[in-house]
Amino acid sequence: EAQVTQNPRYLITVTGKKLTVTCSQNMNHEYMSWYRQDPGLGLRQIYYSMNVEVTDKGDVPEGYKVSRKEKRNFPLILESPSPNQTSLYFCASSLSSATPDTQYFGPGTRLTVL
Amino acid sequence: GDSVTQMEGPVTLSEEAFLTINCTYTATGYPSLFWYVQYPGEGLQLLLKATKADDKGSNKGFEATYRKETTSFHLEKGSVQVSDSAVYFCALSDYTGRRALTFGSGTRLQVQP
Repeated sequence: EAQVTQNPRYLITVTGKKLTVTCSQNMNHEYMSWYRQDPGLGLRQIYYSMNVEVTDKGDVPEGYKVSRKEKRNFPLILESPSPNQTSLYFCASSLSSATPDTQYFGPGTRLTVL
Repeated sequence: GDSVTQMEGPVTLSEEAFLTINCTYTATGYPSLFWYVQYPGEGLQLLLKATKADDKGSNKGFEATYRKETTSFHLEKGSVQVSDSAVYFCALSDYTGRRALTFGSGTRLQVQP
């Protein structure tokens, strides 16, 4: 089944404790992206990747890191989480980097930073 | 920059009522337009899309027409069901290197039996 998977689905942590949220897609998609969803703000892009070893900042990159060493995986790293990073996080992927097309979303990771 | 404005919710309807959720956008160039739906506890799913002016996207009884002259992409359904209760997001994607989706704030729809 074609899908985007994220782990963990739920995470409660404390300020300053490094964490990684994994994202994996099995559709051989070039483009991958991370969004955060906050009430009243919709979804905002954190980072994106056009292909392996090609990543760049989105609208709200502060406090986050990413890497794209393999085509299928795009982990999101919070090196020193803070309470303002409490949010619902979505990974997404799409087939091509060339034109805007359908993005497939993972199920989401709900992060709480105390 | 690009932006999407949706009507605020929640929208509460009775089963079989007509649904309209308004969406307008601001963008340079000619974006593609999307409606995504988020059911409780799930990720976003593409509901429909339109890639050029006057295109009509449709799926599962929902429709939206890309109106360039009014910069709108309103979502409509003739007869809603309880199972349509969800949050609906209007979004656009333009031909930039970043290719992000710019989302509206979402509209929660509640359909009562």
